[in-house]
Amino acid sequence: GDSVTQMEGPVTLSEEAFLTINCTYTATGYPSLFWYVQYPGEGLQLLLKATKADDKGSNKGFEATYRKETTSFHLEKGSVQVSDSAVYFCSSQTGANNLFFGTGTRLTVIP
Amino acid sequence: GAVVSQHPSWVICKSGTSVKIECRSLDFQATTMFWYRQFPKQSLMLMATSNEGSKATYEQGVEKDKFLINHASLTLSTLTVTSAHPEDSSFYICSARRQRNEQFFGPGTRLTVL
Repeated sequence: GDSVTQMEGPVTLSEEAFLTINCTYTATGYPSLFWYVQYPGEGLQLLLKATKADDKGSNKGFEATYRKETTSFHLEKGSVQVSDSAVYFCSSQTGANNLFFGTGTRLTVIP
Repeated sequence: GAVVSQHPSWVICKSGTSVKIECRSLDFQATTMFWYRQFPKQSLMLMATSNEGSKATYEQGVEKDKFLINHASLTLSTLTVTSAHPEDSSFYICSARRQRNEQFFGPGTRLTVL
């Protein structure tokens, strides 16, 4: 079955630092890949997605590229802000199946 | 568009009472709704999948009689935690799926059972 493995946190960075959160997936088919963000006390919000190999999802300065050869979908941002502090979830979905989530990575950005 | 609401956003109840949580898709009809449970500092655990007008499909290990799900319409699903106990305290999140498999999440409901 499908599964998602993402980098364990927590991650603490200074403002304007470069961010990478690793995510790899296993799937029987060709999944769509997502990054969700959860701010404190809130539900999940879709941050970005990619539906096929070599697609790059981007939003709010975050990027992730669907790499079929390495089964990865790493999240990156060139310069993080304090407001980016949140928990980030990588997830995959094959066809009409359910979403599979990674364990989440807590990011704290300090001024 | 594609807004999902949950009510209440937080609830505190006494042990042994039942609590109902509503999940609504405000501006679209959801073919399927999902209920997740999130423990502190952990990922989301899918509890059940519900389709309008049919019985919910529960994930392994989730008690059907404990967590009652009713999907009465294409815009409303409810989760009732029956005879709640402190170990049921958690953050419950619903999501709604519309066409093209897009899934949208509610803001969550924090349940605290005393």
